[in-house]
Amino acid sequence: GAVVSQHPSRVICKSGTSVKIECRSLDFQATTMFWYRQFPKQSLMLMATSNEGSKATYEQGVEKDKFLINHASLTLSTLTVTSAHPEDSSFYICSAGKMAVNQPQHFGDGTRLSIL
Amino acid sequence: GIQVEQSPPDLILQEGANSTLRCNFSDSVNNLQWFHQNPWGQLINLFYIPSGTKQNGRLSATTVATERYSLLYISSSQTTDSGVYFCAVERDGGFKTIFGAGTRLFVKA
Repeated sequence: GAVVSQHPSRVICKSGTSVKIECRSLDFQATTMFWYRQFPKQSLMLMATSNEGSKATYEQGVEKDKFLINHASLTLSTLTVTSAHPEDSSFYICSAGKMAVNQPQHFGDGTRLSIL
Repeated sequence: GIQVEQSPPDLILQEGANSTLRCNFSDSVNNLQWFHQNPWGQLINLFYIPSGTKQNGRLSATTVATERYSLLYISSSQTTDSGVYFCAVERDGGFKTIFGAGTRLFVKA
């Protein structure tokens, strides 16, 4: 079946650094990918829609300058958390689908980000 | 936007018991999926079920799209079934997947 690969699985870094998370669709072309954030014991909240070759669409309340999204190819989207602070510590998950009716979304395994 | 409500929020079962988890949604949907999130955070896709009934071993799911709800049945529960179960929907006419708050299940040995 379709697979979405997310890397890295875990990151621990100092406050003020920028962290890049990659999301790849391994066996299909994904014109659109999605980025989610999950705080402990909470649900997944959609952050943004990543569109290949154009700007990402951010959900209300998500800072686009804080969470930079690049979707340079049909198989790769990246999320960069810029100047990360402890409150950015969270679990980030991406998803991709074939963007057609009756096609499921496939999720990466997530990235656990810890900012010290 | 579309609202997704899951019940119950928490559930404790004795091993071997059966359970039913419910997902209500407020608008027409293209797609509905049930996931199990394991302790490492991985989302395990259980069912892709925009309508109808499916079964996979001890698990089965039914979605009644016209009445805007879906049910996940777990039979003969095992301790390894513990975790959080999420219902996620794609709104009709759009491709964003929106998650419910989840049901946190604990199965006691």
